[in-house]
Amino acid sequence: RKEVEQDPGPFNVPEGATVAFNCTYSNSASQSFFWYRQDCRKEPKLLMSVYSSGNEDGRFTAQLNRASQYISLLIRDSKLSDSATYLCVVFGGSTDKLIFGTGTRLQVFP
Amino acid sequence: DAGVIQSPRHEVTEMGQEVTLRCKPISGHDYLFWYRQTMMRGLELLIYFNNNVPIDDSGMPEDRFSAKMPNASFSTLKIQPSEPRDSAVYFCASSGTPYGYTFGSGTRLTVV
Repeated sequence: RKEVEQDPGPFNVPEGATVAFNCTYSNSASQSFFWYRQDCRKEPKLLMSVYSSGNEDGRFTAQLNRASQYISLLIRDSKLSDSATYLCVVFGGSTDKLIFGTGTRLQVFP
Repeated sequence: DAGVIQSPRHEVTEMGQEVTLRCKPISGHDYLFWYRQTMMRGLELLIYFNNNVPIDDSGMPEDRFSAKMPNASFSTLKIQPSEPRDSAVYFCASSGTPYGYTFGSGTRLTVV
């Protein structure tokens, strides 16, 4: 079983739509959680951290459910510029390094 | 700050040749990571350094891969001999903490 699992997509949504991505992780001792964004042929960049109480950054909302070992990212009012691959990332537990999911691809169309 | 700098951006080489990828981390960052990304396997950590010392190289595929960090401002990843299955994008990342990564632009390696 992979340490971090994501639905690869693609998710094709119209502008203005709300879209949600989910991610599960296998190591219950994991300590920190993040979402990264990767544009086509570019490097990954940190989008936001994920806190236990849930957190919001503009149109983006991240949630963590430690009991279910589940992380989510909600994007409201999708823009064309949101088209990218979203990587679920986990840190800690038995290892002190970031473990990346394989990513979920989002395509927003006009 | 120029960010993490990788070179070359693209490399095409023939099977059996030696390939050297280079990385200059952000000044003051104590951690340096080498990742490989393919469509099938996503981002895989190959090796990481803390204060120039290799900490975990369990992701290095085999003896053909080696990495060095002779000083705080430079690291290399070498593949010798290269094989077509090594074709991938190789990213270097640096961090001042174990998880606040900044990635370089990557080196796209094609082995023919």
